[in-house]
Amino acid sequence: QVQLVESGGGLVKPGGSLRLSCVASGFSFSDYYMSWIRQAPGKGLEWVSYVNMRSTYIKYGESVQGRFTISRDNAKNSLFLQMNSLRAEDTAVYYCARGGTSFLDVFDIWGQGTMVTVSS
Amino acid sequence: QSVLTQPPSASGTPGQRVAISCSGSGSNIGSNHVHWYQQLPGTAPKLLIYRTHLRPSGVPERFSGSKSGTSASLAISGLRSEDEADFYCVTWDDSLSAWMFGGGTKLTVL
Repeated sequence: QVQLVESGGGLVKPGGSLRLSCVASGFSFSDYYMSWIRQAPGKGLEWVSYVNMRSTYIKYGESVQGRFTISRDNAKNSLFLQMNSLRAEDTAVYYCARGGTSFLDVFDIWGQGTMVTVSS
Repeated sequence: QSVLTQPPSASGTPGQRVAISCSGSGSNIGSNHVHWYQQLPGTAPKLLIYRTHLRPSGVPERFSGSKSGTSASLAISGLRSEDEADFYCVTWDDSLSAWMFGGGTKLTVL
């Protein structure tokens, strides 16, 4: 079935780095925009970044611009998020989500999320 | 403060109709489709309404979406206890060049 599985979350100190992964199955990964969306504990949803099918169009939310890097490997049906210079406010569950064929298409499939905790 | 404004809470009794609003501006709701998610406790969000009023396969007709100007609304009719969840609206903002979520509305079924 169509599925997204995230991994790579954990506890990291402020200023540290972490790389999240998301493996897709059950659909043609290379045909879709992909995004990362996060949710701080007890808070709402915040879009983090998207990448198009060939990695030629990438966008970031203002709060992560310059610190996070999204990438994908279509051969491995995988999406990544490299997070540098982490701050306490980056603590959240990070979800990968499938978009559509346009950046305006909504996120229809979500993974179960991976928790990132930034604390000393 | 979210660019999209939702009431923090809503409630109703079983069988009632409840509406959740999402207020934005011309650069977001006024220009683009609105989508809605339902998030049950401890789970990932689930797409409930897309392109303002369309339902994905499997979503009951009890859920409906609409938009007027710079505001959108999610309506739930025939309220059921299992509808108790957090609901989020989301849309693209042309000025910010970013996806923007509403702050979320916690629905309680009394």
